Amino acid sequence: GNSVTQMEGPVTLSEEAFLTINCTYTATGYPSLFWYVQYPGEGLQLLLKATKADDKGSNKGFEATYRKETTSFHLEKGSVQVSDSAVYFCALNPTGNTPLVFGKGTRLSVIA
Amino acid sequence: GAVVSQHPSRVICKSGTSVKIECRSLDFQATTMFWYRQFPKQSLMLMATSNEGSKATYEQGVEKDKFLINHASLTLSTLTVTSAHPEDSSFYICSAREGGATNNSPLHFGNGTRLTVT
Repeated sequence: GNSVTQMEGPVTLSEEAFLTINCTYTATGYPSLFWYVQYPGEGLQLLLKATKADDKGSNKGFEATYRKETTSFHLEKGSVQVSDSAVYFCALNPTGNTPLVFGKGTRLSVIA
Repeated sequence: GAVVSQHPSRVICKSGTSVKIECRSLDFQATTMFWYRQFPKQSLMLMATSNEGSKATYEQGVEKDKFLINHASLTLSTLTVTSAHPEDSSFYICSAREGGATNNSPLHFGNGTRLTVT
């Protein structure tokens, strides 16, 4: 079946630290991969996506590369800010107009 | 960009009453919308797939008579929590995909509804 596993949090970093949130997936076929961010009290916002192997999605200084050989889509940012504090979800879409399969989310807290 | 509007953002109701949550796609048509429930430890649970003009498809373990879904138009889906109880208190989030039946298009999410049943 399809599943997403992401590192458990919470992750606490100092401002300007390097961020990595690991995400691996299991899927049949060729899924599209996404990272979503959820700020406190809000819904989910798309952060970035990649639709095929070796694609790199990037947005707001975050990036993730679709690695088919390792079935991974790790999220990285070179220098985090306090405003990046949120919950980050890795997700995949197996095929067509189907619901996303989500990881359990990783809470990130950035302290000044 | 694509926007999904969800209303209300917060509702408090008494046990035994019903609550309706609306989900609208503001600048695109959505034949399919998805309803999720988010539990305290962050995890998102897909409740049902809402299909315009036909019955919703519910995930295993979700009571269809308790969580009524109506997808009356290409831009509106509603979730009604009937005879709500305190254990129904949760964060409910709707989503829709722009672009139809391809897996490349991301889901766009509403801002969620915090339901508290007293």
